[in-house]
Amino acid sequence: QSVLTQPPSASGTPGQRVTISCSGSSSNIGGNYVYWYQQLPGTAPKLLIYRDNQRPSGVPDRFSGSKSGTSASLAISGLRSEDEADYYCAAWDDRVSGSFVFGTGTKVTVL
Amino acid sequence: QVQLQESGPGLVKPSQTLSLTCTVSGGSISSGAYSWSWIRQPAGKGLEWIGRVYTSGSANYNPSLKGRVTISVDTSKNQFSLKLSSVTAADTALYYCTRDLVIAVAATWGQGTLVTVSS
Repeated sequence: QSVLTQPPSASGTPGQRVTISCSGSSSNIGGNYVYWYQQLPGTAPKLLIYRDNQRPSGVPDRFSGSKSGTSASLAISGLRSEDEADYYCAAWDDRVSGSFVFGTGTKVTVL
Repeated sequence: QVQLQESGPGLVKPSQTLSLTCTVSGGSISSGAYSWSWIRQPAGKGLEWIGRVYTSGSANYNPSLKGRVTISVDTSKNQFSLKLSSVTAADTALYYCTRDLVIAVAATWGQGTLVTVSS
């Protein structure tokens, strides 16, 4: 079972700002970097944010990541129809030999 | 640009061993400070990290898989592989292979391959 908790869904109209939360603990988010992945329908996930707030080349600056304590957030500003996807947070967890853990996932719907 | 392609049987019987291979193209599996991971996703569910291997052969695994998993690398074939033993229906999933950078896990993904565990 996932140790990182995300809301199951989020939505917004085009142009709006949507924020997705990711709640963890001191053994994962609190002590390690957070990553975010976007999974468009029927496709493999794609790295969206690494090291809490860094964007890989090609990822629009509409996507931004932040972290505070044992929680992290992904913000999508200027929401577009093509942003409709599942979003997963992830982090290394220092417990039990360490493991890379994913969040429960959030489905973003563009209304 | 490096590309990853998973391959292997799409159907595995319960209690048997699931074996998948990921072929790396567009670059050498040995070049750069990369690790290579397997991640799976049951239908309609979330992602689960299975483990990773370095080109040195050193590997880390998800403790929840309780010793059933082995990930290995074959640099001569530019491939890395996953073996998951004693499979059950709970192991039915889409299996992805990924390339990890020092700064980012799963920076590049394969398209995934569906494995069904059924008699």
